Amino acid sequence: AQTVTQSQPEMSVQEAETVTLSCTYDTSENNYYLFWYKQPPSRQMILVIRQEAYKQQNATENRFSVNFQKAAKSFSLKISDSQLGDTAMYFCAFMNPLNTGNQFYFGTGTSLTVIP
Amino acid sequence: DTGVSQDPRHKITKRGQNVTFRCDPISEHNRLYWYRQTLGQGPEFLTYFQNEAQLEKSRLLSDRFSAERPKGSFSTLEIQRTEQGDSAMYLCASSLAGPGYGYTFGSGTRLTVV
Repeated sequence: AQTVTQSQPEMSVQEAETVTLSCTYDTSENNYYLFWYKQPPSRQMILVIRQEAYKQQNATENRFSVNFQKAAKSFSLKISDSQLGDTAMYFCAFMNPLNTGNQFYFGTGTSLTVIP
Repeated sequence: DTGVSQDPRHKITKRGQNVTFRCDPISEHNRLYWYRQTLGQGPEFLTYFQNEAQLEKSRLLSDRFSAERPKGSFSTLEIQRTEQGDSAMYLCASSLAGPGYGYTFGSGTRLTVV
């Protein structure tokens, strides 16, 4: 089974600054997908960014970007120009497309607080 | 389409009672998933449907749990003879079939067993 590790239970960042959240994973597969999801307090999880393992180019979505290091099995999320609305729990997730159900394996999450 | 809807948002029940949760997915999505999230943990897979067929069940889904998706539309998750260990957030998500599609999650049903 795949495992996903988020080693930072809590982080904080000043508004407008940049923060990086770490994620490592363990798999023997060569082709897979990685995701970052955001879960604001008492609200639903929303997709932040998605990376396909066979693409070397790091994914970006506005202020959000990833540093995907396939050999190191590392998938960190960088949030630039942090905003108060970025305060949330962030989950890293792994998906193996060979699993017929596209099941996600989630990390334990990082609680990010943006300080005004 | 208003996204994935879950009902109720909160449920408090006494130990031993049965509870049922409902999930309405995005109408174009043929896959529907149930996950469970406990405090301090990431969501854990319970089961998924493709259309009306339940194709996979986790070992976490004991015999007290049953899920249905009649006609491939909404889904229900029933827990019989609830235990305190069942207290958790139950998340529903839907997606298109095919590799790499992300999920759209509902807001979840928070179950508290007292």
